[in-house]
Amino acid sequence: QSGLTQPPSASGSPGQSVTISCTGTSSDVGGYNHVSWYQQYPGKAPKLLINEVSKRPSGVPDRFSGSKSGNTASLTVSGLQAEDEADYYCCSFAVTNNWLFGGGTKLTVL
Amino acid sequence: EVQLVESGGGLVQPGGSLRLSCAVSGFTFSSYWMTWVRQAPGKGLEWVANISPDGSAKQYGDSAKGRFTISRDNAENSLYLQMNTLRGEDTAVYYCARSTDWGFDYWGQGTLVTVSS
Repeated sequence: QSGLTQPPSASGSPGQSVTISCTGTSSDVGGYNHVSWYQQYPGKAPKLLINEVSKRPSGVPDRFSGSKSGNTASLTVSGLQAEDEADYYCCSFAVTNNWLFGGGTKLTVL
Repeated sequence: EVQLVESGGGLVQPGGSLRLSCAVSGFTFSSYWMTWVRQAPGKGLEWVANISPDGSAKQYGDSAKGRFTISRDNAENSLYLQMNTLRGEDTAVYYCARSTDWGFDYWGQGTLVTVSS
């Protein structure tokens, strides 16, 4: 089963909003609410940002939000800050009882 | 404080074996599914395997099937990944992570496995 599709890069200026998409199929993203997003800085472990499509764990700023429509999930970062420059990965449970990750999106704050 | 600490990585020749460990603290280890995720240099994340709280159920990604074995010791609060018949494409940082219904909420710092002659 192939991974989820993310754009390789995204960018925005400080204060702007950026949305990163994550496209799968009805067998994964479209079939379950088990979609999560992770932030990763170079050389560091991933950190959970969003779970269950749109829920933020304690401590995650409300500038980060998640949504889903059909087979595509989205992560929106509002009010971009320099510290948001990182790699972002989506993840979904799949019908074959496994987990799929997106290829990752490198977010650049201009 | 939840902590996951991986160990056991290193340089291994193609065809060789390696056993990774993940020492866990700060939560009731025996109540959670646990997972291994890897990341090849400069690449994205790839789910490798997970294991049920009592160790009776195990699931593997395509790259791990038949070569890797996940296991756990709840008495020792430890997770393991036995990797056999290693290939160059297995070169990666291997992370252990705590699983929930919707993904992975805590991650270790990772251990680097390099497969090379």
